Amino acid sequence: AQKITQTQPGMFVQEKEAVTLDCTYDTSDQSYGLFWYKQPSSGEMIFLIYQGSYDEQNATEGRYSLNFQKARKSANLVISASQLGDSAMYFCAMREGLSNSGYALNFGKGTSLLVTP
Amino acid sequence: EAQVTQNPRYLITVTGKKLTVTCSQNMNHEYMSWYRQDPGLGLRQIYYSMNVEVTDKGDVPEGYKVSRKEKRNFPLILESPSPNQTSLYFCASSSLATGVDTQYFGPGTRLTVL
Repeated sequence: AQKITQTQPGMFVQEKEAVTLDCTYDTSDQSYGLFWYKQPSSGEMIFLIYQGSYDEQNATEGRYSLNFQKARKSANLVISASQLGDSAMYFCAMREGLSNSGYALNFGKGTSLLVTP
Repeated sequence: EAQVTQNPRYLITVTGKKLTVTCSQNMNHEYMSWYRQDPGLGLRQIYYSMNVEVTDKGDVPEGYKVSRKEKRNFPLILESPSPNQTSLYFCASSSLATGVDTQYFGPGTRLTVL
């Protein structure tokens, strides 16, 4: 069964607007971590933001914020004030278990975001 | 600068010719991992290592070998590459300290097996 689901294969947003990229996850663990990565056309994977399952507040990193709804098992990425350089693939990922367990990240299939002028 | 490096970045080879993709990190991370990325399948883990001399299989280990003789290096070995191993490969590393487990990725190695 898919552990990470990203239902939006592609999204468009106009420059300076905010955009939400959806991510739902499936786990029975109480302790887990959720990550978002950006992959521009050049191919590298860039870490954006992290949310731990026990974190009470939503994570924020600059223009990125993670809308964490634990009961719904969703971890949506919100990008505020989109820029042309935000055009990329975005991957949601989950680490199950404790943070020192070194488990693999389970990745979603990604959402392609295109920011238009 | 803290980073994960991979070499080579691009490689075209032929079926059956042994190759090694190197991975090195300078962050003293205990955990290192290899992923492959294929269209429509996302990233899948090949092998991982919790520390020196400790390695284990991920989801798609067939056709690959790894070794962890030093903490900073985690090479991926394809003993007899086949066309279905054509993919984009990523090495990643992270600390195992509690609460500090963000995985940092190398730049990727694009492998084509003819």
